[in-house]
Amino acid sequence: GESVGLHLPTLSVQEGDNSIINCAYSNSASDYFIWYKQESGKGPQFIIDIRSNMDKRQGQRVTVLLNKTVKHLSLQIAATQPGDSAVYFCAENGRSGAGSYQLTFGKGTKLSVIP
Amino acid sequence: NAGVTQTPKFQVLKTGQSMTLQCAQDMNHEYMSWYRQDPGMGLRLIHYSVGAGITDQGEVPNGYNVSRSTTEDFPLRLLSAAPSQTSVYFCASSYGPAGNRETQYFGPGTRLLVL
Repeated sequence: GESVGLHLPTLSVQEGDNSIINCAYSNSASDYFIWYKQESGKGPQFIIDIRSNMDKRQGQRVTVLLNKTVKHLSLQIAATQPGDSAVYFCAENGRSGAGSYQLTFGKGTKLSVIP
Repeated sequence: NAGVTQTPKFQVLKTGQSMTLQCAQDMNHEYMSWYRQDPGMGLRLIHYSVGAGITDQGEVPNGYNVSRSTTEDFPLRLLSAAPSQTSVYFCASSYGPAGNRETQYFGPGTRLLVL
């Protein structure tokens, strides 16, 4: 889940297992959500997105689930590989008064894959 | 395509010094943004631009200036650096508003230390 304080929550999984990373978003008006992957020393990289009119969306080895009732988002990674080790964070669009929707980012979860 | 490039990668400044963080993209994106990333916090928007000649403030604009004279370039200026500006800075670009379902591409980041 999201971090508290200065330390990111860490999820350690065995190579080949499935990973589930959670995110609680804050704005009930948000209608678009994104998951990013950030490897050490690099910029964030788009993984998958989902609109609020969907509750599930699948990509290659990744699935995003959206539960609007409890404002919860999750990222599932199938058959986790060492290359999946990174910080993962979610983002929501909220509603900007200017109409140019900006993003609000979560703090992130660190995924460590054990070979 | 080089995507989004940022220079320098690392910088150490003394309090009160000024500097410019450079950002360039070669994808002909109209939207460009500057974020800062601090430990235990999500990315926070500093300034953004919706096209050449148009800029606006984000969540944490104080102490930073921007300009957008060309579509490709979006420099971030620190006029008088303060230790509170120690952070990792990311530039990002997209065809349209990132919160309006346009994929945002991030640069590799600039690590700034203000002593």
